[in-house]
Amino acid sequence: DTEVTQTPKHLVMGMTNKKSLKCEQHMGHRAMYWYKQKAKKPPELMFVYSYEKLSINESVPSRFSPECPNSSLLNLHLHALQPEDSALYLCASSLGVANEKLFFGSGTQLSVL
Amino acid sequence: GESVGLHLPTLSVQEGDNSIINCAYSNSASDYFIWYKQESGKGPQFIIDIRSNMDKRQGQRVTVLLNKTVKHLSLQIAATQPGDSAVYFCAENILGFQKLVFGTGTRLLVSP
Repeated sequence: DTEVTQTPKHLVMGMTNKKSLKCEQHMGHRAMYWYKQKAKKPPELMFVYSYEKLSINESVPSRFSPECPNSSLLNLHLHALQPEDSALYLCASSLGVANEKLFFGSGTQLSVL
Repeated sequence: GESVGLHLPTLSVQEGDNSIINCAYSNSASDYFIWYKQESGKGPQFIIDIRSNMDKRQGQRVTVLLNKTVKHLSLQIAATQPGDSAVYFCAENILGFQKLVFGTGTRLLVSP
C-alpha cells in the first residue's frame, strides 16, 4: 500500500460545529504532517508528528487540534472555525523524520459557513 | 481589478516541446529539494528530488538542476504532454529542521 488516505474528501461546517479530519497510511512511515492550502497558493505546514509525538506546531490557532493515535493514523480536530479557515487540508507522511520526500493524500476540501 | 497575488506564474507550451520551470530559494542552509506536481482536486505528487551535494539528477523525462551559488532550482520536462498540465511546486528542506517549505508554484499549460 503506497497511499495516504484522507477522509472526508469534502466537509461543510458551521462556525459552532465540531468535526474531525482523518488520515491513514500503511507504509510504515514514522512522520506525519498536516498542511493547509488556500486556492492558488502553496501548501503551508501546520503540524508535524515524529514517532507519534508532536514535534512541530507552526503557531496554529488552538481551534485546530491534532492527534496521532498510532503510527498509522493522524487526526485533525476542528472546533469553532472561522470562514477564513476554509481551505484544502492535506495530510502527508514520510519514512524518516528529516530530508525525506513526503507522500500526500488528496486532501479534505473544507468550507466553513 | 485583479490582484497579482491571486495569479500563479504560467508557462504555456506546445505538446512535444521541452519545458523548463524555475524556482529561486532563499535559504543557503537548505540541503534537500523536491519538485511536486499538483493537479486540480488532488494532493501534490512527488516528481523528483535532489540533495545539495549534487547539481543534477535525471528521472524519466524529467531533470532537476541545482545551482547553489545563485540559489536556483529548475525542472526540465522533455517532450511535454497534455497530461503534464498541472501546477508545479519546488520545496526545500532546511538543514536541521524537519520542515519542507514550498515555493509559490508555476502553472504549466500544454496545448495539443
